[in-house]
Amino acid sequence: DIQLTQSPSFLSASVGDRVTITCRASQGISSYLAWYQQKPGKAPKLLIYAASTLQSGVPSRFSGSGSGTEFTLTISSLQPEDFATYYCQQLNSYPPWTFGQGTKVEIK
Amino acid sequence: QVTLKESGPVLVKPTETLTLTCTVSGFSLSNARMGVSWIRQPPGKALEWLAHIFSNDEKSYSTSLKSRLTISKDTSKSQVVLTMTNMDPVDTATYYCARIRWELQHVLFDYWGQGTLVTVSS
Repeated sequence: DIQLTQSPSFLSASVGDRVTITCRASQGISSYLAWYQQKPGKAPKLLIYAASTLQSGVPSRFSGSGSGTEFTLTISSLQPEDFATYYCQQLNSYPPWTFGQGTKVEIK
Repeated sequence: QVTLKESGPVLVKPTETLTLTCTVSGFSLSNARMGVSWIRQPPGKALEWLAHIFSNDEKSYSTSLKSRLTISKDTSKSQVVLTMTNMDPVDTATYYCARIRWELQHVLFDYWGQGTLVTVSS
């Protein structure tokens, strides 16, 4: 199975900060990567798919980049509602479609 | 409006079989570009993909749980059912179902149910 490693696991940031989260795959997955946001007690919400395509309705301060084995999620200016846990998921050609271990973004 | 809702027991005993149902609305399980997946999340831990089923009845399972999982669908009832045998306390988790949609060559998990917490305890 393809493994995903997110870094950092935890980050503390302030409103207005630029935040970057990295997801590394154990083997190349082209651009078959998605990012989710999850708030406590809620289901995950799709933010980005195909590594860099913003899901409809997601604010433009979120962006994704990368291909192959290294990917990033960037929040250009952190807003109060962005404090949450973020997960990457690889959706390479055939399952299993694994998730990263998560990155918790907390208020500094 | 697309919605998914999980239902099933809140508490199961060790060694029992868990049966969860995902009832969907706003889309059809016969839609060629769509399917449903099950994902779980133990308390305070990461998401874990479990299984999926597509409209053509194509199925796939988590490598580590494959021997214990069965996924099926009833298109007429708009339901997808997941069974997991030989439940253990480590299987305590919130179980989610999500819609899978194909967008060109990419798979999206674009709508999720609210999740249902299943506790395994004697």
